[in-house]
Amino acid sequence: EAQVTQNPRYLITVTGKKLTVTCSQNMNHEYMSWYRQDPGLGLRQIYYSMNVEVTDKGDVPEGYKVSRKEKRNFPLILESPSPNQTSLYFCASSITFGTGFVNEQYFGPGTRLTVT
Amino acid sequence: DQQVKQNSPSLSVQEGRISILNCDYTNSMFDYFLWYKKYPAEGPTFLISISSIKDKNEDGRFTVFLNKSAKHLSLHIVPSQPGDSAVYFCALGSNYKLTFGKGTLLTVNP
Repeated sequence: EAQVTQNPRYLITVTGKKLTVTCSQNMNHEYMSWYRQDPGLGLRQIYYSMNVEVTDKGDVPEGYKVSRKEKRNFPLILESPSPNQTSLYFCASSITFGTGFVNEQYFGPGTRLTVT
Repeated sequence: DQQVKQNSPSLSVQEGRISILNCDYTNSMFDYFLWYKKYPAEGPTFLISISSIKDKNEDGRFTVFLNKSAKHLSLHIVPSQPGDSAVYFCALGSNYKLTFGKGTLLTVNP
């Protein structure tokens, strides 16, 4: 079954304790991306990756890191989480056409993160 | 600066009628446009897209219209069904980067 998986699905942590949210896709997609969803703000792109070892910043990259060492995995790293990073996080993947065009993205089920 | 605006936070329509969801943008750099639907406790799912060289794209009950001169995108759902009740996001793309609107909650009443 084609899918994007995220782990953990729920996480409560404390300020400053480094954490990683994993994302994996089994569709051999080149493009992967991370978003956060906050009430009244919709979905905002954090980072995206066009292919292995190629990443770039989205609209809200501050406080986050990513890496793309393998095609299927795109972990999101919070080196020193703060309460303003409390949010619902989604990972997504897609094929691309080499022209900057990202069409249908497949989204994971989300990770609800609370930083106290 | 909000580049993508969905000015209606919510919309309520009767089953069988047309639902029209709107999205306005300020930056002409976007060259492809998409709509996603999201149910609670799930990730968004792709609905339909359109490139900047077209002004209309249809897929079953869903039609997306693009008016580049007005910088306006709309999604028409005809006929609306109760199962269409969800949050709808427009997403605008350029060079691999995507900017989403804040979403519109559509409620279709039986």
